[in-house]
Amino acid sequence: NAGVTQTPKFRVLKTGQSMTLLCAQDMNHEYMYWYRQDPGMGLRLIHYSVGEGTTAKGEVPDGYNVSRLKKQNFLLGLESAAPSQTSVYFCASSADRVVGELFFGEGSRLTVL
Amino acid sequence: RKEVEQDPGPFNVPEGATVAFNCTYSNSASQSFFWYRQDCRKEPKLLMSVYSSGNEDGRFTAQLNRASQYISLLIRDSKLSDSATYLCVVIANTGGFKTIFGAGTRLFVKA
Repeated sequence: NAGVTQTPKFRVLKTGQSMTLLCAQDMNHEYMYWYRQDPGMGLRLIHYSVGEGTTAKGEVPDGYNVSRLKKQNFLLGLESAAPSQTSVYFCASSADRVVGELFFGEGSRLTVL
Repeated sequence: RKEVEQDPGPFNVPEGATVAFNCTYSNSASQSFFWYRQDCRKEPKLLMSVYSSGNEDGRFTAQLNRASQYISLLIRDSKLSDSATYLCVVIANTGGFKTIFGAGTRLFVKA
């Protein structure tokens, strides 16, 4: 089973460039999330979605946009990348918001020069 | 003060040792508690949920202390393969459910 798949796995950008991270899940989960993980810090929620066509801001949404046009896909966009956005990005999905297990993708390592 | 705090470690233990980690949380409205495991340069994966009555899964035991607002993870008979970072995760109801991750505790098990 594929579970949660993220693309690309690695990317290097120059400041000001734009890019989109794609997340796909095959578990029919309603909830999807984008997190970033930085050294010494817990995963921080960027944006999330509670179902197809919905998106909501998380803890650190500035500089990012998301879309969930199809239930299985959740896209994270950086319109104008900044060095502060250098991080590892994880997509996750869950069947339940409170007690459900979070299933993570393998992560996308982004470096902004 | 961080909402979820963990000792970053690293904890260096020999094979066969027993090791325990604690995680404290600040929000008394926290409802659900979990331990996730994250291997180096990999994604987090659920290790176990933490119930009010405690939870045991093989060599792993998790406990919740609501009065003191902490959860614990005990690993008995440590294996080399237990080397990883252990993330404490708390879900709090703050007018909407919020999942909060601790920064993790690193464990190295040595032969």
